[in-house]
Amino acid sequence: KAGVTQTPRYLIKTRGQQVTLSCSPISGHRSVSWYQQTPGQGLQFLFEYFSETQRNKGNFPGRFSGRQFSNSRSEMNVSTLELGDSALYLCASSDRRRNTGELFFGEGSRLTVL
Amino acid sequence: GQQLNQSPQSMFIQEGEDVSMNCTSSSIFNTWLWYKQDPGEGPVLLIALYKAGELTSNGRLTAQFGITRKDSFLNISASIPSDVGIYFCAGRLSNFGNEKLTFGTGTRLTIIP
Repeated sequence: KAGVTQTPRYLIKTRGQQVTLSCSPISGHRSVSWYQQTPGQGLQFLFEYFSETQRNKGNFPGRFSGRQFSNSRSEMNVSTLELGDSALYLCASSDRRRNTGELFFGEGSRLTVL
Repeated sequence: GQQLNQSPQSMFIQEGEDVSMNCTSSSIFNTWLWYKQDPGEGPVLLIALYKAGELTSNGRLTAQFGITRKDSFLNISASIPSDVGIYFCAGRLSNFGNEKLTFGTGTRLTIIP
């Protein structure tokens, strides 16, 4: 079974630009969550999507948004990038029907904002 | 954002030693999870715990769900070089319909040659 796939793995942007990150969950998993990881704040929950609907949202500004497609693939977008948005963005998928809370993470997309 | 208190922050041990780390929260959790993250990789799930007092093993790893439901512990026996990495605890508040995890601050494990 293929794991969670995130693209791109690395990207560099400048302040004010916007970025879109993509995530393909494990086959059969319909829930996708996004986390931001920084040295200072650790792993912080961004949002969760299930059946193309946002089910849960963390404490991030509106510049952070996401969506989920009918095939469960998800994208997150960050607009008007700031230096502080530099981070590893992790996507995780889960089988919500099993209700175990177990998340399976991808390798992440490392964003650098200059 | 919220983070769970995890200790120690870092550990320097020799190969073959046992390791203990713990995680505490001001909130009650219904699920505790332990992850390991290697450099440049995403966290990998090690152990999941679902009941207060539960003790679960995965090879040389043993984790416990604290009886107060506000803490969890991870032990690694007879450490080997591939145990190097950062270990995170994570808690889930709700049993149903909520996949959000709150993560600990991490414990960085280094093995001294």
